[in-house]
Amino acid sequence: EAGVAQSPRYKIIEKRQSVAFWCNPISGHATLYWYQQILGQGPKLLIQFQNNGVVDDSQLPKDRFSAERLKGVDSTLKIQPAKLEDSAVYLCASKQGNTEAFFGQGTRLTVV
Amino acid sequence: QKEVEQDPGPLSVPEGAIVSLNCTYSNSAFQYFMWYRQYSRKGPELLMYTYSSGNKEDGRFTAQVDKSSKYISLFIRDSQPSDSATYLCARGGDKIIFGKGTRLHILP
Repeated sequence: EAGVAQSPRYKIIEKRQSVAFWCNPISGHATLYWYQQILGQGPKLLIQFQNNGVVDDSQLPKDRFSAERLKGVDSTLKIQPAKLEDSAVYLCASKQGNTEAFFGQGTRLTVV
Repeated sequence: QKEVEQDPGPLSVPEGAIVSLNCTYSNSAFQYFMWYRQYSRKGPELLMYTYSSGNKEDGRFTAQVDKSSKYISLFIRDSQPSDSATYLCARGGDKIIFGKGTRLHILP
């Protein structure tokens, strides 16, 4: 079974630029999460989708972050404009039903 | 109060020792708990999950939940250098909320 795919693996941008991350969840998984993991901390939930609808985006900084999940499969997370404090690993995870979530390898973002 | 609290460590133990990793949680309504392991520059991978109270064992790993004290534990027996990683406890359910993670070093 293929795992959660994320791209790119690494990205370096200057502050005030924009960036987008892509996630392809495990086939058939209805729930998709985006997490932000700052160095030395646990993953922090940014947004949760159920199929193509948003379930929880209470921790998403909506003035600069946006996410979508068209057709209930792939998802993109965008940051515009980026700030230095956005430097982190962005993790995508998916699950089906009330089971464990499976994580991708993450995208490591460095904002300079 | 954070939903899941975890001491970030680092924790260093000699090879072969028993490791005890612990978390506390705030809401007694939580029923589903998980331990993830995260190697450097990798995504978290699920180690163990448990429902309600009691122990669950899988090889060298034992997960324990004490609902009366809202305490979650992970024990690693016969620890190996390959167990060196960050261990994340989490509560499950509608969304998965993580603790800070504990960095573990097993010394050869």
